[in-house]
Amino acid sequence: NAGVMQNPRHLVRRRGQEARLRCSPVKGHSHVYWYRQLPEEGLKFMVYLQKENIIDESGMPKERFSAEFPKEGPSILRIQQVVRGDSAAYFCASSPVTGLGVGPQHFGDGTRLSIL
Amino acid sequence: KNEVEQSPQNLTAQEGEFITINCSYSVGISALHWLQQHPGGGIVSLFMLSSGKKKHGRLIATINIQEKHSSLHITASHPRDSAVYICAGPHSGAGSYQLTFGKGTKLSVIP
Repeated sequence: NAGVMQNPRHLVRRRGQEARLRCSPVKGHSHVYWYRQLPEEGLKFMVYLQKENIIDESGMPKERFSAEFPKEGPSILRIQQVVRGDSAAYFCASSPVTGLGVGPQHFGDGTRLSIL
Repeated sequence: KNEVEQSPQNLTAQEGEFITINCSYSVGISALHWLQQHPGGGIVSLFMLSSGKKKHGRLIATINIQEKHSSLHITASHPRDSAVYICAGPHSGAGSYQLTFGKGTKLSVIP
């Protein structure tokens, strides 16, 4: 069974460009989470999605950031007009639904975004 | 909002030593996660536990729900155990899906 797949592993963008980060959850998992890890800081929640629905985006910056999890295909985290402060590692996790609610989260290897 | 505190922040051990990393949290929860982040950056989920103790190989995780405290133990430590260990609990208590993470414990095991 494949785990959570994130791509690309490394992404370099110039200020003002767009960054698109992809996450394919574990097969059968219907819940996706995005987290950001700034240099020398801990992981911070960004957004929680189910198929075609954003459940909680309270951790997302108000501007330039958006996320989707379409019916078909991977979840996408999109950052428009990137700035130097967006340089970070972005992790995706997925979880199944269990009889007790949301199950344990499985993490991907992350995408390291560098802004020149 | 859950506050998750880990100690120690950094830990250096000789190969073979028994290691303990502690995690305390402020809000009652239903389950706590232990994660491992390797120098390459990838994250592996080690344990999700809601009571008692879980064991996987040389790793043991315990949790005391009443005291809001969890520990991660590594027996017979090895240089390949060198990594950052992170505990995470639900952001706003039991039933919350959003995780709040500790700052991590950086473990270095010396041969």
